[in-house]
Amino acid sequence: ETGVTQSPTHLIKTRGQQVTLRCSSQSGHNTVSWYQQALGQGPQFIFQYYREEENGRGNFPPRFSGLQFPNYSSELNVNALELDDSALYLCASTSPFSGRSYEQYFGPGTRLTVT
Amino acid sequence: GIQVEQSPPDLILQEGANSTLRCNFSDSVNNLQWFHQNPWGQLINLFYIPSGTKQNGRLSATTVATERYSLLYISSSQTTDSGVYFCAVSGTQSGGSYIPTFGRGTSLIVHP
Repeated sequence: ETGVTQSPTHLIKTRGQQVTLRCSSQSGHNTVSWYQQALGQGPQFIFQYYREEENGRGNFPPRFSGLQFPNYSSELNVNALELDDSALYLCASTSPFSGRSYEQYFGPGTRLTVT
Repeated sequence: GIQVEQSPPDLILQEGANSTLRCNFSDSVNNLQWFHQNPWGQLINLFYIPSGTKQNGRLSATTVATERYSLLYISSSQTTDSGVYFCAVSGTQSGGSYIPTFGRGTSLIVHP
């Protein structure tokens, strides 16, 4: 059973640029959630994807968008990057139809620095 | 949304000591997980425990859903237990979606 993977590991971007982060869910998991974790804070929920549709969204502006593909992998896109977007971005997968319905498994994260 | 408070915010222990971490939440929940975040940022599942008691080696957890709190016990702490411990909860929303909420974490340092 493969775990959740994310790429890239680290990324440096300039303010105003766009970025795409990628996530492959754990084998058998059909739901992917994305989180932003600023330094010293707990992860903040961005949105969740199930069956290629957005299935819940936190308090993030529309320049944060996502995609889920038929193989359940996912992308997080952030447009018009701001300095405050610098954070660790975490992806988690779940399988709502397993016996432990909403247990989340996290990837290692992508550390984004915006200069 | 649901509010989650973790205490204490910081904890410093000597190797071998025991500790209790607490997670209070403001509304009824259907899901609750405890995580350990290592120095590299990886969130490691410790327990999925919306109610009841579970044990895994030196770690155990208890959730009293009716009183809206969960406790994580660490016995005979080791330096490798150092890191940040998070509690994450969620209820249900109409349509079957949910928004998980994390606490701010407890930062644990275990000295040799």
